[in-house]
Amino acid sequence: DAKTTQPTSMDCAEGRAANLPCNHSTISGNEYVYWYRQIHSQGPQYIIHGLKNNETNEMASLIITEDRKSSTLILPHATLRDTAVYYCIVRVRDTNAGKSTFGDGTTLTVKP
Amino acid sequence: NAGVTQTPKFQVLKTGQSMTLQCAQDMNHNSMYWYRQDPGMGLRLIYYSASEGTTDKGEVPNGYNVSRLNKREFSLRLESAAPSQTSVYFCASSALAGAPYDQFFGPGTRLTVL
Repeated sequence: DAKTTQPTSMDCAEGRAANLPCNHSTISGNEYVYWYRQIHSQGPQYIIHGLKNNETNEMASLIITEDRKSSTLILPHATLRDTAVYYCIVRVRDTNAGKSTFGDGTTLTVKP
Repeated sequence: NAGVTQTPKFQVLKTGQSMTLQCAQDMNHNSMYWYRQDPGMGLRLIYYSASEGTTDKGEVPNGYNVSRLNKREFSLRLESAAPSQTSVYFCASSALAGAPYDQFFGPGTRLTVL
């Protein structure tokens, strides 16, 4: 699976959009980009995923560059409850491939 | 639906003791996983089971064994616990292994080895 690179930490003002970048320059054609978050010490929570098109759901938007080497997770109106560690990972499209690596993620702090 | 459940929530062991961490899912998922998370770090895959009857090593399998008891349950065993295994252990499941199937995580087991 391709490796990802994320900034260690970011701050965002409450009510503003939080834009979290991720680099995955070695991604291959059959790998998806996934985002999870982990609030305090809870289990990670799925946010969104995409292959090559931009995606949106009730939690966030995912923008993937045309060359697929990087992506941005957008939380449109960040709240204090969005303070968490956000993980960007890539997962291969293979029903026997369980391996996916979680890096250290980005710690997002939403400030009042 | 309870999703993914893990027992126990907390455990303290002495070096050399053994124990089994239990995980169960009620989503009829085929694939299950065990991760560990050390303080301030991301998750690392220990073992996974793509389907009932199969298990495979992840990044950090040494010192652990797993059993896919049935489709619902996937256990992780520490035969002789060491202080380096102090960590939070998360179990996860997905409909099938690999994308585009989402992983659902349990609440974790916090293990301290003295």
